[in-house]
Amino acid sequence: GAVVSQHPSRVICKSGTSVKIECRSLDFQATTMFWYRQFPKQSLMLMATSNEGSKATYEQGVEKDKFLINHASLTLSTLTVTSAHPEDSSFYICSATSGGSYEQYFGPGTRLTVT
Amino acid sequence: AQKITQTQPGMFVQEKEAVTLDCTYDTSDPSYGLFWYKQPSSGEMIFLIYQGSYDQQNATEGRYSLNFQKARKSANLVISASQLGDSAMYFCAMRESNSGSARQLTFGSGTQLTVLP
Repeated sequence: GAVVSQHPSRVICKSGTSVKIECRSLDFQATTMFWYRQFPKQSLMLMATSNEGSKATYEQGVEKDKFLINHASLTLSTLTVTSAHPEDSSFYICSATSGGSYEQYFGPGTRLTVT
Repeated sequence: AQKITQTQPGMFVQEKEAVTLDCTYDTSDPSYGLFWYKQPSSGEMIFLIYQGSYDQQNATEGRYSLNFQKARKSANLVISASQLGDSAMYFCAMRESNSGSARQLTFGSGTQLTVLP
């Protein structure tokens, strides 16, 4: 089946620094990738949608200058949390779709802790 | 209005029993898809089952079945013969065709299922 990886799985950073999270589709070409954020005991909230080679579309309330998304190839999307603050601590999950498939394939998630 | 509603924050079931997790949805789109995902404590999202709005029969995947009642706009997940490993958070999600090529999913708030030995 389709596999999506995320790196790192866990990251701890200091307030004010930037963190990059990678999302890769390992065995298929992902025409669209999604980034979600999930707080403890809560649902997944869509942050942005990115198509390869074009700018990401951000959901209302998500700061595009703080959460930089790059989808440079059909197998890689990156989310950079710039000038991280403790309130950015969360579980970040990416997913990917390809072509005509109805299914979204999810990565294992990245747990970000900002101290 | 909530697009996906899961009214059961937590559910308990005895091992080997069946359990139904509720999900109702709201859309005016005639073409949509409904999904169920399992999220164990590790955090990964595991796809369980899919139902298309035009599918005539209820979807089934092993011990999972989807009780699709279109007129009531409900898509309940039935897990038969519960196992201890079924303990997890379960999310219902919907994709509407007017989400265009983006295929965005809207998730419900989730139900935490605990299987008791």
